Amino acid sequence: EAGVAQSPRYKIIEKRQSVAFWCNPISGHATLYWYQQILGQGPKLLIQFQNNGVVDDSQLPKDRFSAERLKGVDSTLKIQPAKLEDSAVYLCASSQGLGGPYEQYFGPGTRLTVT
Amino acid sequence: DAKTTQPPSMDCAEGRAANLPCNHSTISGNEYVYWYRQIHSQGPQYIIHGLKNNETNEMASLIITEDRKSSTLILPHATLRDTAVYYCIVRVAYAYNAGNMLTFGGGTRLMVKP
Repeated sequence: EAGVAQSPRYKIIEKRQSVAFWCNPISGHATLYWYQQILGQGPKLLIQFQNNGVVDDSQLPKDRFSAERLKGVDSTLKIQPAKLEDSAVYLCASSQGLGGPYEQYFGPGTRLTVT
Repeated sequence: DAKTTQPPSMDCAEGRAANLPCNHSTISGNEYVYWYRQIHSQGPQYIIHGLKNNETNEMASLIITEDRKSSTLILPHATLRDTAVYYCIVRVAYAYNAGNMLTFGGGTRLMVKP
């Protein structure tokens, strides 16, 4: 079974530029999550999708971050414009769905450096 | 805020059992205990979860105290590849909303030494 795919693996941009990350979850997984992991900390949830609908985006900085999962499969997370404090690893995860003790499977992450 | 407390770091000799403690004294009746680990430069990896009974799988065993206020993850024969940060997380498993999310704390950095 293929795991969660993410691209790119690494990205370096200057502040005020924009960047986009892509995630392909495990086939058949209805729930998709984006996490931000700052160096030395545990991952923090940014947004959670169930199919193509948003379940929770309360911790997403909506003035600069956006995410979509238009067809309920792949997802894109965008930052525009980027700030220095956005330097982090962005992790995508997927699970079978809500309403059960389903474990989450994580991708390798995208390491973003903002200079 | 994370609902669990873990020691920031632990060492273990290769081949010995690694016992990682976690305190979750405010756990609710509908919350499960989950363990994930994160090896350097990789995404977190699911290990095991439980509600109140002890659980075992091919990776580890989970021992939950009778009052459910604490638990221990046991890696029976630690290898160098088990060096990672281990996260203990409590989570409502049967939630159809934001309660389904994982809230990570600082975790325990386990160093397995030769």
